[in-house]
Amino acid sequence: DIQLTQSPSFLSASVGDRVTITCRASQGISSYLAWYQQKPGKAPKVLIYAASTLQSGVPSRFSGSGSGTEFTLTISSLQPEEFATYYCQQHHSYPLTFGGGTKVEIK
Amino acid sequence: QLQLQESGPGLVKPSETLSLTCSVSGGSISRSSYYWGWIRQPPGKGLEWIGGIYYGGSTYYNPSLKSRVTISVDTSKNQFSLKLNSVTAADTAVYYCARLGDTLTGYYYGDYWGQGTLVTVSS
Repeated sequence: DIQLTQSPSFLSASVGDRVTITCRASQGISSYLAWYQQKPGKAPKVLIYAASTLQSGVPSRFSGSGSGTEFTLTISSLQPEEFATYYCQQHHSYPLTFGGGTKVEIK
Repeated sequence: QLQLQESGPGLVKPSETLSLTCSVSGGSISRSSYYWGWIRQPPGKGLEWIGGIYYGGSTYYNPSLKSRVTISVDTSKNQFSLKLNSVTAADTAVYYCARLGDTLTGYYYGDYWGQGTLVTVSS
């Protein structure tokens, strides 16, 4: 199985901050990585797929980069509604696997 | 707009079978290129892919659950289902159904999700 390690696990930030979350894969996955945002009690919402392709309807302040084993999700200017938990997921091979999550909290 | 909705018992006894159904509206499950699946999330924890099914019936399961899982599709009802047998307390989780990919693009991520349903395993 491909393991995904996210860092940090927790992040305190203020509105307007630039936020970067990293996801490392245990083996190369090319660009087959997606990022999700999950709010309490809600289903995950996809933000980015194929490492850097913005899902339709997602604000452009979200961006993704990377390939191979190291990936980043960046929020250029954090908004109040974006305090949530973020997960990466590899879609290179079965079993599909998720990172452990990064909780973004209000500083 | 595609919508998915999970349904099934919220309480299952240990050693019994968990059965959930995902009803799809706003689109046909019969489109042959799509992949439909289940993901779960224990309370306060992360996401775990359970498995999925293609319209043609091909299934892929998480090896950690493979011996206990069956996913099937009923195109006449526009639904797909999950059965997990011999459940224990460790199977207590919110269970989500989702459209998990498109063979035409080769990308397998969840672009449409149900709201999730909490299943508790307890006697």
